[in-house]
Amino acid sequence: DQQVKQNSPSLSVQEGRISILNCDYTNSMFDYFLWYKKYPAEGPTFLISISSIKDKNEDGRFTVFLNKSAKHLSLHIVPSQPGDSAVYFCAASSNTGNQFYFGTGTSLTVIP
Amino acid sequence: ETGVTQSPTHLIKTRGQQVTLRCSSQSGHNTVSWYQQALGQGPQFIFQYYREEENGRGNFPPRFSGLQFPNYSSELNVNALELDDSALYLCASSDNRGWNTIYFGEGSWLTVV
Repeated sequence: DQQVKQNSPSLSVQEGRISILNCDYTNSMFDYFLWYKKYPAEGPTFLISISSIKDKNEDGRFTVFLNKSAKHLSLHIVPSQPGDSAVYFCAASSNTGNQFYFGTGTSLTVIP
Repeated sequence: ETGVTQSPTHLIKTRGQQVTLRCSSQSGHNTVSWYQQALGQGPQFIFQYYREEENGRGNFPPRFSGLQFPNYSSELNVNALELDDSALYLCASSDNRGWNTIYFGEGSWLTVV
């Protein structure tokens, strides 16, 4: 059973606009979350993290929001750039666990 | 660049054969995890090694095995290869268990024919 879900397989956004990628999880024990970007033929690249003690974390153009009651997190990219076109994965883990559970990814296309 | 290196990058094996994939972790990291990523899926946890001991295993059969060496590098071995083992195998390193980000290498693409 998929414990981390990314329900949008793909997303297209105009350059300069905001990209919002969503992720839902089912396990209430998850308390640490990561976002990765993946280009074809490369390994996933870490973007940003958030722990359950926060509801927002920012790093440059990337902001992650966590809504624990809804078991939902989102990644905002502002402004979107063509180089952001990639597959984005969210991942979740618990402090007592040793593995991350990944969603199936959202393919973002930023249109120049 | 994460500093996690994997080899080989691509390989083709025949069903029933055995394969060994290698990983050098990022400097200062003592924990290595292996993930399998099938086409169109997210990475799936195979197992983790911490200080040369297996520290957790995902839903993979015993023919998937591993090692971690004193320098924290690691190997993933898969015996009796099946067609469904065709996937991208990712190694990730981190500096401890718990709330720690894992950093991936470029992966090893395995095709089983």
